[in-house]
Amino acid sequence: NAGVTQTPKFRVLKTGQSMTLLCAQDMNHEYMYWYRQDPGMGLRLIHYSVGEGTTAKGEVPDGYNVSRLKKQNFLLGLESAAPSQTSVYFCASSDRYEQYFGPGTRLTVT
Amino acid sequence: AQKITQTQPGMFVQEKEAVTLDCTYDTSDPSYGLFWYKQPSSGEMIFLIYQGSYDQQNATEGRYSLNFQKARKSANLVISASQLGDSAMYFCAMREVGRDDKIIFGKGTRLHILP
Repeated sequence: NAGVTQTPKFRVLKTGQSMTLLCAQDMNHEYMYWYRQDPGMGLRLIHYSVGEGTTAKGEVPDGYNVSRLKKQNFLLGLESAAPSQTSVYFCASSDRYEQYFGPGTRLTVT
Repeated sequence: AQKITQTQPGMFVQEKEAVTLDCTYDTSDPSYGLFWYKQPSSGEMIFLIYQGSYDQQNATEGRYSLNFQKARKSANLVISASQLGDSAMYFCAMREVGRDDKIIFGKGTRLHILP
C-alpha cells in the first residue's frame, strides 16, 4: 500500500518548456488535489477533482491544466513554464474525513 | 467564499508544556470539515486530526485534540505534553462538504519546542 506517490521528485525546466507531473493513489479515494507551496504562503490549491473524469479550478489555476482519466491518477500539466512556477508541488487524495499527501515535487524554472 | 486564518506565524514553547495553535475560519456553508496537518523540516505533510461541523464532541487523536468552538468559528489544535519532535509547521485547513469539496489551507504556524 504505497498511499500517494508523485513523479518526478525533482525537475529543472527552462522557461517555455512543458512538463507533466503524475500523482497516483491506491486508496480508492474519489477526491484528488494539486497544491503548490511557496515560502511564507502555505499551500495554495491549483486544481482539484471530485471524481474520475471531473476537474475544477482552485485558488491559483492559471498556467496549469489537469486531467483525471482514471480514478487513481491525477495529472498536472505546465504547458509553458515560467519562473513564477518555481515551487514545491504537492498532490493529495482524500475521503470525507482524511486527506493524505504525496512526498512533493520540487520544480525549478530557470 | 471559504477562508482560513492562522494568526500566529511562530511560537516558542518549553518541552512538556501544552500548546494551543489558533485557527479561525469563515464559511456560509453549514456542512464543513476542519483538518490539521504537521509539516516537519523534512517537508512531508502529515495528517493529524479531523473535525466535522456536525460532530458533537471535540476530536482527539493521541496527544492532539481539536478545541472546536462553532459559534466563534474557531478550531484550535491543542498538543498536550509537547515533545522536541513536535517542532514543525502546522497547517489548518477546511473543506465545504458537498458544496465544492475543495480543501483550503491557512498560512501555517511554525512551532519551536525548547528543551
